[in-house]
Amino acid sequence: DIQMTQSPSSLSASVGDRVTITCRASQGISNYLAWYRQKPGTVPKLLIYAASTLQSGVPSRFSGGGSGTDFTLTISSLQPEDVATYYCQNYNSVPLTFGGGTKVEIK
Amino acid sequence: EVQLVESGGGLVQPGGSVRLSCVGSGFTFSSYWMHWVRQAPGKGLVWVSRINTDGSSTSYADSVKGRFTISRDNAKNTLYLQMNSLRAEDSAVYFCARGISSGYSNSPWNSWGQGTLVTVSS
Repeated sequence: DIQMTQSPSSLSASVGDRVTITCRASQGISNYLAWYRQKPGTVPKLLIYAASTLQSGVPSRFSGGGSGTDFTLTISSLQPEDVATYYCQNYNSVPLTFGGGTKVEIK
Repeated sequence: EVQLVESGGGLVQPGGSVRLSCVGSGFTFSSYWMHWVRQAPGKGLVWVSRINTDGSSTSYADSVKGRFTISRDNAKNTLYLQMNSLRAEDSAVYFCARGISSGYSNSPWNSWGQGTLVTVSS
């Protein structure tokens, strides 16, 4: 099974800060990497797929990068509505696996 | 508008069974691979199972293999998860999810149901 390791597990930043979350796969997954945001009490929402493709309707302050085993999610200017937990997902092969999540808070 | 609506959750005794349903609308249900994902309270997301468009191919997480069965009825636009031999660690909100692209197994999920809570406890 492919293990997905996210870091950090939590972070606190100020409004307007640039925030970067990393995700590492235990083996290469090409670009079959998605990022989801889950606000408290809500369903996960797809932000980015194919490592760097922004899902329709997602604000442009979100961007993704990487390929193979190392990936990043960047929020260029953190907003209060970005308070959430972010998950990366390998959808290259079963079992489909998620990272442990990164909880983002406002300082 | 794409909608996925789960039902069937509740309180179940250890060793018991429950069947979850997920009804899809607003899209051609029979064209999409479908998935079940779960999330224990306060924990992360865990993929459970997937099924191809006509139900002929299924996959499971090791933790549920042999106990859970995924199926679908395309005439009713409905996805199922039969859960047997339930354990306390199966307690979670169960979501059904659909990929972005029809016909593809390797597709991230842009449509989720609201989830149904299964609690396994005596």
